[in-house]
Amino acid sequence: NAGVTQTPKFQVLKTGQSMTLQCAQDMNHEYMSWYRQDPGMGLRLIHYSVGAGITDQGEVPNGYNVSRSTTEDFPLRLLSAAPSQTSVYFCASSYLFSGRDEQFFGPGTRLTVL
Amino acid sequence: AQTVTQSQPEMSVQEAETVTLSCTYDTSESNYYLFWYKQPPSRQMILVIRQEAYKQQNATENRFSVNFQKAAKSFSLKISDSQLGDTAMYFCAFNGRGSTLGRLYFGRGTQLTVWP
Repeated sequence: NAGVTQTPKFQVLKTGQSMTLQCAQDMNHEYMSWYRQDPGMGLRLIHYSVGAGITDQGEVPNGYNVSRSTTEDFPLRLLSAAPSQTSVYFCASSYLFSGRDEQFFGPGTRLTVL
Repeated sequence: AQTVTQSQPEMSVQEAETVTLSCTYDTSESNYYLFWYKQPPSRQMILVIRQEAYKQQNATENRFSVNFQKAAKSFSLKISDSQLGDTAMYFCAFNGRGSTLGRLYFGRGTQLTVWP
């Protein structure tokens, strides 16, 4: 049971490049989400999904796309990277109706956009 | 909208002493969960403790306990017998059971330093 995995751990991009951050979970969780963490700002929700084929925007969705074709995977796409997207990105997953609501986090991806 | 406020950006405590981290929140929902997460320098988010809003009893996990005041919308974390390994960023988080089901709202965090 690997929990929530994210790749890569570190990435450097040039302005305008695109890339996909990968996230996978093996706990059969319905809910998956992406957060970004910036100094002094806590974690802010980018996009989330309550099940395969269903996604929705969070607090800071601009510049990011997501899709959820399977229960296990929830990739985050940066369409045209900008320096403002320099951040640490976390993927998380949880059950929706278990009565515990604990979200499990991946190890994070540190992204730098030059 | 849900908001979570942590008013202490930084705190420090001596080893073996007790420290309390503050958190307030605002919501119109009646059913929700509250969490404290710890983020050490490794960056991994670790769940410290959780509280269900409908439970009046304050949650405890070993040296960690909360003071949950529902009417005041306050949710503080007390760490007893502080250890050097408790040095980390601590985040308070809210998870509603209504229209925002599944979404976590975080405070900005409190950096706790435990010194020998």
